[in-house]
Amino acid sequence: SQTIHQWPATLVQPVGSPLSLECTVEGTSNPNLYWYRQAAGRGLQLLFYSVGIGQISSEVPQNLSASRPQDRQFILSSKKLLLSDSGFYLCAWTNRGEQYFGPGTRLTVT
Amino acid sequence: RKEVEQDPGPFNVPEGATVAFNCTYSNSASQSFFWYRQDCRKEPKLLMSVYSSGNEDGRFTAQLNRASQYISLLIRDSKLSDSATYLCVVIGNTGGFKTIFGAGTRLFVKA
Repeated sequence: SQTIHQWPATLVQPVGSPLSLECTVEGTSNPNLYWYRQAAGRGLQLLFYSVGIGQISSEVPQNLSASRPQDRQFILSSKKLLLSDSGFYLCAWTNRGEQYFGPGTRLTVT
Repeated sequence: RKEVEQDPGPFNVPEGATVAFNCTYSNSASQSFFWYRQDCRKEPKLLMSVYSSGNEDGRFTAQLNRASQYISLLIRDSKLSDSATYLCVVIGNTGGFKTIFGAGTRLFVKA
């Protein structure tokens, strides 16, 4: 069966510090992968999606970037965090349209 | 107009009640529809897909009305454990398969 991992589970970072969140998927090959952010009490905002290695599409302009160095690895990064980057970051993969989410990383920027 | 709109919440219902959630979408080319459940501080989890013919899973019934561009979720005999946020998800087919989540409707089931 397929499993999706994210780490870390929680993170507290100061403004201006860098960020690297990792997501890996097991049990499937060539998945479509997604990064979402959910601000407190808000809906899901799609940040990036990837249909293959090195293929990244950005949905919203921001100070975040994404990379897909391997088929089942998706990384979300920032060079300098802003207060507004705080939120719940979720990685997901799709199977015939159905999306399955990882456990998420709760980021607090102080 | 938002691409996917859900009933504003929260819904507060007693145990055993029937509750209905509605969701409208703006893109008539949308192809796939789902309901997700999200517990507090957890990731969303797929509850059920929504088919044109409607589908039922135990106490849950989902329906799609393409002509009016809305989907619905009905929960019968509500349980305390049904308390969560319910997210409507629509997948379009314009320039790629774009997945759009509604903002969610919070449900509180009370004893």
